Amino acid sequence: DGGITQSPKYLFRKEGQNVTLSCEQNLNHDAMYWYRQDPGQGLRLIYYSHIVNDFQKGDIAEGYSVSREKKESFPLTVTSAQKNPTAFYLCASSTGRYQASYTFGSGTRLTVV
Amino acid sequence: AQSVTQPDIHITVSEGASLELRCNYSYGATPYLFWYVQSPGQGLQLLLKYFSGDTLVQGIKGFEAEFKRSQSSFNLRKPSVHWSDAAEYFCAVGAADISNFGNEKLTFGTGTRLTIIP
Repeated sequence: DGGITQSPKYLFRKEGQNVTLSCEQNLNHDAMYWYRQDPGQGLRLIYYSHIVNDFQKGDIAEGYSVSREKKESFPLTVTSAQKNPTAFYLCASSTGRYQASYTFGSGTRLTVV
Repeated sequence: AQSVTQPDIHITVSEGASLELRCNYSYGATPYLFWYVQSPGQGLQLLLKYFSGDTLVQGIKGFEAEFKRSQSSFNLRKPSVHWSDAAEYFCAVGAADISNFGNEKLTFGTGTRLTIIP
């Protein structure tokens, strides 16, 4: 079955360390997105990509980096520059075309210890 | 830029009662609108979407939503809730991203948490 896989489900990081969250899709979708979710703040867009080797900053890109070397993969790195990285991270994909809906992964909960 | 407001942070209803979750959007052109549902610790699942045409749209799990242009609203309704409907609900508006060749991106509201009491 097609879908989006995020791994790991839970991740613990020490302060000052970089950590990479994985997102893989087999839906043949062109567009992929990373959102951060905090209680009471909904989903905030970190980065998105509509084509391989190209990506755009979202609303809260500071302290994060991404790559899009393959259509299926869109990993997110949370760097030590991110001041408050503890959150629930959601990856999504879509065809990227007009009026397309998103398909979401099941998320990664990152905790800084 | 588009925006979405969900004015109710938390709603509690009794099982079997009717439900209405509010969503107001701001967008200069004709929007396309979505409702998603999220169970704790999970991703989001699409309930329904509105693009054009009939302003009352039907979705999965017995949900429906009505688009009212004059009120800039897209409220979600269900005539009789079940305990399994307890979750967080997100409204989203889509728009072309003119900074990125017109590709689409969604803007989400802050969500409404639904609690069901027996």
